[in-house]
Amino acid sequence: EDKVVQSPLSLVVHEGDTVTLNCSYEVTNFRSLLWYKQEKKAPTFLFMLTSSGIEKKSGRLSSILDKKELSSILNITATQTGDSAIYLCAVAGGGGADGLTFGKGTHLIIQP
Amino acid sequence: ETGVTQTPRHLVMGMTNKKSLKCEQHLGHNAMYWYKQSAKKPLELMFVYSLEERVENNSVPSRFSPECPNSSHLFLHLHTLQPEDSALYLCASSQDLPGADNEKLFFGSGTQLSVL
Repeated sequence: EDKVVQSPLSLVVHEGDTVTLNCSYEVTNFRSLLWYKQEKKAPTFLFMLTSSGIEKKSGRLSSILDKKELSSILNITATQTGDSAIYLCAVAGGGGADGLTFGKGTHLIIQP
Repeated sequence: ETGVTQTPRHLVMGMTNKKSLKCEQHLGHNAMYWYKQSAKKPLELMFVYSLEERVENNSVPSRFSPECPNSSHLFLHLHTLQPEDSALYLCASSQDLPGADNEKLFFGSGTQLSVL
């Protein structure tokens, strides 16, 4: 059974700090790893990492895939209160229509 | 606005009620999904539709019945639910078909369901 584990489950930091969120996975036939941000209800897409694209960056957010260690990190620099959210890691794998397997998420709180 | 619209946003129902959740995607995507999000648990895949055909049913109890009348609409019919079914039900769509290398989901805002 495919498995995605995120750590920490919750994190409280001050505005301006840098945070690193972790995601490890066990999946058969790995295809991609995705990061989502869930602020209220709808998870919104951040990054997709594949064997051909193991590092992505967008503004203050960046993510790296380590296929050897079966893990990924999501970095947020110079955090702002608007970064407060649940960050979800998901992995696409298996064969056929298995959808994405999600971790429990990291609840990030940025204090002013 | 993500291009995926879900109604209602909130729903309270008794265990003997019948209700339906509706999802509409305006993105021209080819696949649609139902996920369940319970407190302190990962999102759980319930159903997958690819080109309007159901391709995945993840051991979901029969009190949940999906329907996909066309590529833009997806319903989840609810009947005789249990209190443990209370959760956020998220609909998603993807351009690529399930199993594709670039399968990327776009989510709606969900229906927060409470079963009394």
